[in-house]
Amino acid sequence: QKEVEQDPGPLSVPEGAIVSLNCTYSNSAFQYFMWYRQYSRKGPELLMYTYSSGNKEDGRFTAQVDKSSKYISLFIRDSQPSDSATYLCAMSSDGSSNTGKLIFGQGTTLQVKP
Amino acid sequence: KAGVTQTPRYLIKTRGQQVTLSCSPISGHRSVSWYQQTPGQGLQFLFEYFSETQRNKGNFPGRFSGRQFSNSRSEMNVSTLELGDSALYLCASSFRGVAEAFFGQGTRLTVV
Repeated sequence: QKEVEQDPGPLSVPEGAIVSLNCTYSNSAFQYFMWYRQYSRKGPELLMYTYSSGNKEDGRFTAQVDKSSKYISLFIRDSQPSDSATYLCAMSSDGSSNTGKLIFGQGTTLQVKP
Repeated sequence: KAGVTQTPRYLIKTRGQQVTLSCSPISGHRSVSWYQQTPGQGLQFLFEYFSETQRNKGNFPGRFSGRQFSNSRSEMNVSTLELGDSALYLCASSFRGVAEAFFGQGTRLTVV
């Protein structure tokens, strides 16, 4: 069983829809939770990170972490065709001291249709 | 502010050869990590360097090695290339911790 599970999709939604992307994990030591967006043939781009449990909002993006359920989510409001990309969740058990490594989910491919 | 720069962007090598990839981190970032991305395995951690010292290593064979220079630039080397080494190799740099790691565009290595 992988430490981080993410539904690969693909997920197809109409423009303007609310998108929900999710990951589950098994390692209770994870403290830092990140979401990256990766366009085809590009490197991952950091969207948001959250420490421990709770919510974080940045524009149209909201990240939620529920450590009791070992479940994280990324919501995209008013989705745009430019949001079409692969979304990767990543986690780490050691963020502040620079020794941690990121454990990634497989990524969910999102297509937003005009 | 310049981002993470990886060179070259594309490489084609023959089985048995060796290859060296380069990564220049964001100015001021002292931590550099390397990842391998393949369709089957996704993104997998290779190793992490901080102030020229390897502090963490993933589960890859010894053919994969790296180093970091005093200016924080990093190189990774793969010796005796195998077909299965074909992948996108990504470098990430960070200042305050792995939670804010910024990736380069990657080097796409094809082994034939």
